[in-house]
Amino acid sequence: NAGVTQTPKFQVLKTGQSMTLQCAQDMNHNSMYWYRQDPGMGLRLIYYSASEGTTDKGEVPNGYNVSRLNKREFSLRLESAAPSQTSVYFCASSETPTGWAEAFFGQGTRLTVV
Amino acid sequence: KNQVEQSPQSLIILEGKNCTLQCNYTVSPFSNLRWYKQDTGRGPVSLTIMTFSENTKSNGRYTATLDADTKQSSLHITASQLSDSASYICVVSPNFGNEKLTFGTGTRLTIIP
Repeated sequence: NAGVTQTPKFQVLKTGQSMTLQCAQDMNHNSMYWYRQDPGMGLRLIYYSASEGTTDKGEVPNGYNVSRLNKREFSLRLESAAPSQTSVYFCASSETPTGWAEAFFGQGTRLTVV
Repeated sequence: KNQVEQSPQSLIILEGKNCTLQCNYTVSPFSNLRWYKQDTGRGPVSLTIMTFSENTKSNGRYTATLDADTKQSSLHITASQLSDSASYICVVSPNFGNEKLTFGTGTRLTIIP
Protein backbone atom coordinates (compact mmCIF):
# COMPACT_ATOMS: atom_id res chain seq x y z
CA ASN A 1 0.00 0.00 0.00
CA ALA A 2 1.29 3.45 -0.88
CA GLY A 3 -0.24 5.19 2.16
CA VAL A 4 0.47 8.93 2.00
CA THR A 5 2.41 10.14 -1.04
CA GLN A 6 3.97 13.59 -1.30
CA THR A 7 5.48 15.28 -4.32
CA PRO A 8 8.05 16.60 -4.86
CA LYS A 9 10.58 15.15 -2.41
CA PHE A 10 13.00 18.06 -2.83
CA GLN A 11 12.58 21.60 -4.11
CA VAL A 12 14.67 24.75 -4.26
CA LEU A 13 12.87 28.04 -4.79
CA LYS A 14 13.98 31.61 -5.15
CA THR A 15 12.46 34.19 -2.86
CA GLY A 16 9.13 35.32 -4.26
CA GLN A 17 8.48 32.24 -6.37
CA SER A 18 5.37 30.17 -5.88
CA MET A 19 4.82 26.45 -5.76
CA THR A 20 2.33 23.78 -4.74
CA LEU A 21 3.13 20.73 -2.67
CA GLN A 22 0.95 17.78 -3.53
CA CYS A 23 -0.32 15.10 -1.16
CA ALA A 24 -2.47 12.06 -1.84
CA GLN A 25 -3.62 9.24 0.41
CA ASP A 26 -5.10 5.91 -0.57
CA MET A 27 -6.50 4.85 2.82
CA ASN A 28 -9.92 6.49 2.39
CA HIS A 29 -9.17 8.77 5.33
CA ASN A 30 -11.41 11.71 6.09
CA SER A 31 -8.85 14.03 7.69
CA MET A 32 -5.65 15.41 6.19
CA TYR A 33 -2.96 17.70 7.56
CA TRP A 34 0.08 19.72 6.59
CA TYR A 35 2.94 20.11 9.07
CA ARG A 36 6.35 21.71 8.92
CA GLN A 37 9.39 20.43 10.79
CA ASP A 38 12.28 22.75 11.63
CA PRO A 39 15.53 21.93 13.46
CA GLY A 40 15.12 22.00 17.22
CA MET A 41 11.34 22.31 17.03
CA GLY A 42 8.49 19.87 17.09
CA LEU A 43 6.24 19.44 14.10
CA ARG A 44 3.87 22.37 13.75
CA LEU A 45 0.46 22.26 12.12
CA ILE A 46 0.03 24.60 9.15
CA TYR A 47 -3.46 23.71 7.93
CA TYR A 48 -5.79 20.79 8.21
CA SER A 49 -8.92 19.44 6.59
CA ALA A 50 -11.12 17.51 8.97
CA SER A 51 -13.27 16.25 6.10
CA GLU A 52 -13.70 16.73 2.37
CA GLY A 53 -14.83 20.25 1.65
CA THR A 54 -13.47 21.84 4.84
CA THR A 55 -10.15 23.42 5.71
CA ASP A 56 -8.95 25.19 8.84
CA LYS A 57 -5.87 27.05 10.00
CA GLY A 58 -3.40 25.44 12.29
CA GLU A 59 -0.64 26.92 14.39
CA VAL A 60 1.45 28.54 11.62
CA PRO A 61 -0.77 29.30 8.58
CA ASN A 62 0.70 32.63 7.46
CA GLY A 63 2.15 32.52 3.94
CA TYR A 64 0.32 29.32 2.99
CA ASN A 65 -2.93 28.28 1.36
CA VAL A 66 -4.48 24.85 0.99
CA SER A 67 -6.97 23.06 -1.20
CA ARG A 68 -8.79 19.83 -0.40
CA LEU A 69 -9.25 18.79 -4.00
CA ASN A 70 -11.19 15.63 -3.15
CA LYS A 71 -11.14 13.03 -0.41
CA ARG A 72 -7.74 11.72 -1.53
CA GLU A 73 -5.82 14.90 -2.24
CA PHE A 74 -4.76 17.88 -0.13
CA SER A 75 -2.37 20.45 -1.57
CA LEU A 76 -0.32 23.19 0.09
CA ARG A 77 0.54 26.34 -1.84
CA LEU A 78 3.23 28.91 -1.15
CA GLU A 79 2.21 32.05 -3.07
CA SER A 80 5.41 34.03 -2.53
CA ALA A 81 8.14 31.94 -0.95
CA ALA A 82 10.33 33.42 1.78
CA PRO A 83 13.56 32.09 3.31
CA SER A 84 11.64 31.55 6.58
CA GLN A 85 9.64 28.88 4.77
CA THR A 86 12.73 26.73 4.33
CA SER A 87 11.68 23.57 6.10
CA VAL A 88 10.65 19.95 5.74
CA TYR A 89 6.94 19.64 5.04
CA PHE A 90 4.91 16.60 5.99
CA CYS A 91 1.45 15.65 4.90
CA ALA A 92 -0.52 13.32 7.15
CA SER A 93 -3.91 11.67 7.12
CA SER A 94 -6.15 9.97 9.64
CA GLU A 95 -9.50 8.23 9.54
CA THR A 96 -10.97 10.76 11.97
CA PRO A 97 -9.61 13.89 13.63
CA THR A 98 -6.22 13.05 15.15
CA GLY A 99 -7.40 13.37 18.73
CA TRP A 100 -8.88 9.92 18.25
CA ALA A 101 -7.20 8.17 15.37
CA GLU A 102 -3.73 7.26 14.25
CA ALA A 103 -2.04 9.72 11.91
CA PHE A 104 -0.07 8.39 8.94
CA PHE A 105 2.67 10.60 7.51
CA GLY A 106 4.15 10.98 4.07
CA GLN A 107 7.88 10.87 3.45
CA GLY A 108 8.23 14.64 3.47
CA THR A 109 9.18 17.44 1.08
CA ARG A 110 12.45 19.22 1.78
CA LEU A 111 12.05 22.82 0.64
CA THR A 112 14.85 25.37 0.46
CA VAL A 113 14.10 29.01 -0.30
CA VAL A 114 17.12 31.06 -1.33
CA LYS B 1 0.88 26.87 26.95
CA ASN B 2 0.82 23.18 26.05
CA GLN B 3 4.32 21.78 25.95
CA VAL B 4 6.03 18.44 25.47
CA GLU B 5 9.62 18.12 26.61
CA GLN B 6 11.84 15.16 25.83
CA SER B 7 15.11 14.01 27.27
CA PRO B 8 17.80 13.37 26.50
CA GLN B 9 18.15 15.32 23.25
CA SER B 10 20.50 12.64 21.95
CA LEU B 11 21.71 9.26 23.08
CA ILE B 12 24.35 6.83 21.84
CA ILE B 13 24.31 3.20 22.99
CA LEU B 14 25.90 -0.07 21.97
CA GLU B 15 23.93 -2.58 19.96
CA GLY B 16 22.15 -5.05 22.20
CA LYS B 17 21.83 -2.66 25.13
CA ASN B 18 18.58 -1.31 26.53
CA CYS B 19 17.65 2.35 26.83
CA THR B 20 14.87 4.57 28.12
CA LEU B 21 13.67 7.84 26.66
CA GLN B 22 11.69 10.37 28.69
CA CYS B 23 8.76 12.64 27.91
CA ASN B 24 7.19 15.25 30.20
CA TYR B 25 4.12 17.17 29.15
CA THR B 26 1.97 20.01 30.39
CA VAL B 27 -0.92 19.44 27.99
CA SER B 28 -4.29 19.64 29.74
CA PRO B 29 -6.90 18.29 29.44
CA PHE B 30 -5.15 15.20 28.21
CA SER B 31 -6.55 12.60 25.84
CA ASN B 32 -3.77 10.36 24.61
CA LEU B 33 -0.02 10.16 24.21
CA ARG B 34 1.82 8.71 21.25
CA TRP B 35 5.37 7.72 20.50
CA TYR B 36 6.59 7.97 16.93
CA LYS B 37 9.81 6.75 15.30
CA GLN B 38 11.29 8.93 12.58
CA ASP B 39 14.10 7.56 10.45
CA THR B 40 16.39 10.10 8.80
CA GLY B 41 14.72 11.55 5.71
CA ARG B 42 11.41 9.82 6.40
CA GLY B 43 8.08 10.69 7.96
CA PRO B 44 7.18 9.71 11.53
CA VAL B 45 5.76 6.21 12.04
CA SER B 46 3.59 5.35 15.03
CA LEU B 47 4.93 3.01 17.71
CA THR B 48 2.30 3.24 20.46
CA ILE B 49 -0.79 5.19 21.48
CA MET B 50 -1.92 5.30 25.12
CA THR B 51 -5.05 6.89 26.53
CA PHE B 52 -5.06 8.56 29.93
CA SER B 53 -6.33 5.31 31.52
CA GLU B 54 -3.48 3.13 30.26
CA ASN B 55 -0.21 2.68 32.14
CA THR B 56 1.81 0.65 29.68
CA LYS B 57 1.73 -0.51 26.10
CA SER B 58 4.16 -2.65 24.15
CA ASN B 59 5.03 -3.00 20.50
CA GLY B 60 7.66 -5.69 20.11
CA ARG B 61 10.87 -4.46 21.74
CA TYR B 62 9.30 -1.06 22.44
CA THR B 63 7.44 -0.52 25.71
CA ALA B 64 5.84 2.79 26.59
CA THR B 65 4.70 3.75 30.08
CA LEU B 66 2.46 6.57 31.15
CA ASP B 67 1.87 8.28 34.50
CA ALA B 68 -1.00 10.71 33.91
CA ASP B 69 -0.75 12.01 37.49
CA THR B 70 2.83 13.22 37.09
CA LYS B 71 2.40 13.88 33.34
CA GLN B 72 5.35 11.70 32.43
CA SER B 73 5.90 9.00 29.85
CA SER B 74 8.86 6.83 28.93
CA LEU B 75 9.78 4.67 25.98
CA HIS B 76 11.95 1.66 26.79
CA ILE B 77 13.80 -0.11 24.00
CA THR B 78 15.02 -3.61 24.74
CA ALA B 79 17.97 -5.33 23.07
CA SER B 80 18.62 -2.44 20.70
CA GLN B 81 19.38 -3.05 17.04
CA LEU B 82 21.15 -0.89 14.47
CA SER B 83 17.78 -0.27 12.83
CA ASP B 84 16.59 1.45 16.02
CA SER B 85 18.81 4.42 15.13
CA ALA B 86 16.26 7.19 14.61
CA SER B 87 14.54 10.10 16.28
CA TYR B 88 11.78 9.23 18.74
CA ILE B 89 9.04 11.78 19.10
CA CYS B 90 6.53 12.08 21.93
CA VAL B 91 3.17 13.53 20.87
CA VAL B 92 0.25 14.51 23.10
CA SER B 93 -3.36 15.06 22.14
CA PRO B 94 -5.12 17.60 24.36
CA ASN B 95 -8.62 16.18 23.99
CA PHE B 96 -10.72 13.95 21.81
CA GLY B 97 -11.41 15.33 18.36
CA ASN B 98 -8.87 18.13 18.66
CA GLU B 99 -6.67 18.33 15.62
CA LYS B 100 -3.91 20.26 17.34
CA LEU B 101 -1.45 17.65 18.51
CA THR B 102 1.54 18.89 20.49
CA PHE B 103 4.84 17.42 19.34
CA GLY B 104 8.05 17.10 21.31
CA THR B 105 11.35 17.90 19.64
CA GLY B 106 12.46 14.28 19.81
CA THR B 107 15.36 12.24 21.10
CA ARG B 108 17.99 11.32 18.54
CA LEU B 109 19.08 7.72 19.24
CA THR B 110 22.19 6.26 17.67
CA ILE B 111 23.02 2.57 18.00
CA ILE B 112 26.65 1.67 17.40
CA PRO B 113 27.91 -1.86 16.68
